[in-house]
Amino acid sequence: NAGVTQTPKFHILKIGQSMTLQCTQDMNHNYMYWYRQDPGMGLKLIYYSVGAGITDKGEVPNGYNVSRSTTEDFPLRLELAAPSQTSVYFCASRGGRPDNLLFGPGTRLTVL
Amino acid sequence: AQSVTQLGSHVSVSEGALVLLRCNYSSSVPPYLFWYVQYPNQGLQLLLKYTTGATLVKGINGFEAEFKKSETSFHLTKPSAHMSDAAEYFCAVSTSGGSYIPTFGRGTSLIVHP
Repeated sequence: NAGVTQTPKFHILKIGQSMTLQCTQDMNHNYMYWYRQDPGMGLKLIYYSVGAGITDKGEVPNGYNVSRSTTEDFPLRLELAAPSQTSVYFCASRGGRPDNLLFGPGTRLTVL
Repeated sequence: AQSVTQLGSHVSVSEGALVLLRCNYSSSVPPYLFWYVQYPNQGLQLLLKYTTGATLVKGINGFEAEFKKSETSFHLTKPSAHMSDAAEYFCAVSTSGGSYIPTFGRGTSLIVHP
């Protein structure tokens, strides 16, 4: 199993541009999450999904959108990028309720 | 609502010394508790977790944590620090009240001096 994969690893975006961060898992997990990590702030939940076709907002959803058309993929869309979206983005998945999250390697995004 | 507080954004120890990273949680229902470690420029990986049963949980790399309900704590310890333990450590909680969505603490950076 490759686990959770994310692309790209790094990206520089101009203010006002849009992009999609890709996340794929090959463990047939129903639950998938997007977090952003900022220094000293821990991880903040952006969006999550409990299965294909079902998504919901987390703590900091503004400026982002998601879709979940398949079990494997959970892309995160940034519309009209702003400097405040400069962060490290982590995708994670889990199988069942007591299970821990399995994290991808992250995407380091800079908005200039 | 569920929440996690990690006391100390930075902890500094000498190699061979005891490591103690503090985590307190808030929850009105039984929690699942986790410690994750993040090495520089990497994703988070699980160190250990408490779901049910034995309150002393052993994890990878010699770490362990004890769930103390009366103190709402889940502190992480290691008897003897190694240089390779230098990393960021995150405590997390999930509960039925929070739809089992994990909430993370702000993290503690462990610095190990030779």
